[in-house]
Amino acid sequence: NAGVTQTPKFRILKIGQSMTLQCTQDMNHNYMYWYRQDPGMGLKLIYYSVGAGITDKGEVPNGYNVSRSTTEDFPLRLELAAPSQTSVYFCASSLPRQAAFFGQGTRLTVV
Amino acid sequence: AQSVTQPDIHITVSEGASLELRCNYSYGATPYLFWYVQSPGQGLQLLLKYFSGDTLVQGIKGFEAEFKRSQSSFNLRKPSVHWSDAAEYFCAVVSSNTGNQFYFGTGTSLTVIP
Repeated sequence: NAGVTQTPKFRILKIGQSMTLQCTQDMNHNYMYWYRQDPGMGLKLIYYSVGAGITDKGEVPNGYNVSRSTTEDFPLRLELAAPSQTSVYFCASSLPRQAAFFGQGTRLTVV
Repeated sequence: AQSVTQPDIHITVSEGASLELRCNYSYGATPYLFWYVQSPGQGLQLLLKYFSGDTLVQGIKGFEAEFKRSQSSFNLRKPSVHWSDAAEYFCAVVSSNTGNQFYFGTGTSLTVIP
């Protein structure tokens, strides 16, 4: 009963490096989301997906890319890391108009 | 556009005292509303949800929330706070006409003093 699993939990990147944050869910949810959380700012939606092969931008998509080749997986790609991308990233999944289930988060620091 | 406002950034209550966390939303249609709790270093855990029907909903850990359409509010309450309730609380609304996006408030940080 894993739910939503994110890897890695922590990562330090140098400016200009790239990385992929992994997210997988085993609940057969068609909706998946990536949020970033910054102190005092709540959660901001980066990208979301309504099903395999379909993705769309959220509120703060610049500097990120996603793909959704399967129902289970929704990786988030940072191509050229910048200090402004230092944040905690959360992946979530849901069924339509149902509560979202969240992963434990990835704490990313860009130096 | 949909939005959620949590006017209280930080609240401090004594253990055993009652608690009310405020949430106001802006949404054109019937909203789907949620309260989540986040402990330090953890993900978000669902406390309760409102979809329709009875406007007073019960959740886990003794929490409840009341939906008031006339006030566009969905305030979270607990009659007697425990030290373990210290955490960050987020209110959220779902938009069913834009990809089921969740819109979150900025959160309320709760401190419980003995």
